[in-house]
Amino acid sequence: GENVEQHPSTLSVQEGDSAVIKCTYSDSASNYFPWYKQELGKRPQLIIDIRSNVGEKKDQRIAVTLNKTAKHFSLHITETQPEDSAVYFCAASGAGGFKTIFGAGTRLFVKA
Amino acid sequence: GAGVSQTPSNKVTEKGKYVELRCDPISGHTALYWYRQSLGQGPEFLIYFQGTGAADDSGLPNDRFFAVRPEGSVSTLKIQRTERGDSAVYLCASSLTGGASYEQYFGPGTRLTVT
Repeated sequence: GENVEQHPSTLSVQEGDSAVIKCTYSDSASNYFPWYKQELGKRPQLIIDIRSNVGEKKDQRIAVTLNKTAKHFSLHITETQPEDSAVYFCAASGAGGFKTIFGAGTRLFVKA
Repeated sequence: GAGVSQTPSNKVTEKGKYVELRCDPISGHTALYWYRQSLGQGPEFLIYFQGTGAADDSGLPNDRFFAVRPEGSVSTLKIQRTERGDSAVYLCASSLTGGASYEQYFGPGTRLTVT
């Protein structure tokens, strides 16, 4: 069945450093890849997404890259700040972004 | 505007009982999703609706779980004969269909505890 693997499970960085989270997916029909941020006790919120016709997308300090051939995609956060501390989930879905399979999450700690 | 809402926020029930969890999506969102999130895990897809019909229910773990959306807006997730392993946060999300964005907007979740 469909599967999304996410690494690392925990990531600790110093404020100002970069953070990278990597995901792989199994379903070659996947063509939409969102990233969600979930703060403790809160609901997941979309921070960036990418579709399969694009290799990279950037939004201020956040960027996502996609390699469809290798079936992996990554989240890059530059100049990390303490408020970036949260759990980040990658996900994959087919056309329309409907049935969505999530990774297990990466807990990011940004130390001031 | 109002976001996705879910009731109750917390539900404690005894093993074997029946529970209903309610989701009110964002007005105008035709797609509605149910997920289950266990501690330390990502949301696990259960089912999604397009309008009134279940477009994909392949994530429902067994026939104790059922969901409806009779008028294409509010949805109810129903769990029969609850088991301790059903304890989790049940998240609902909604999205527009056919728009430029595929973003799913999540509700605050219902924390279900089966004792």
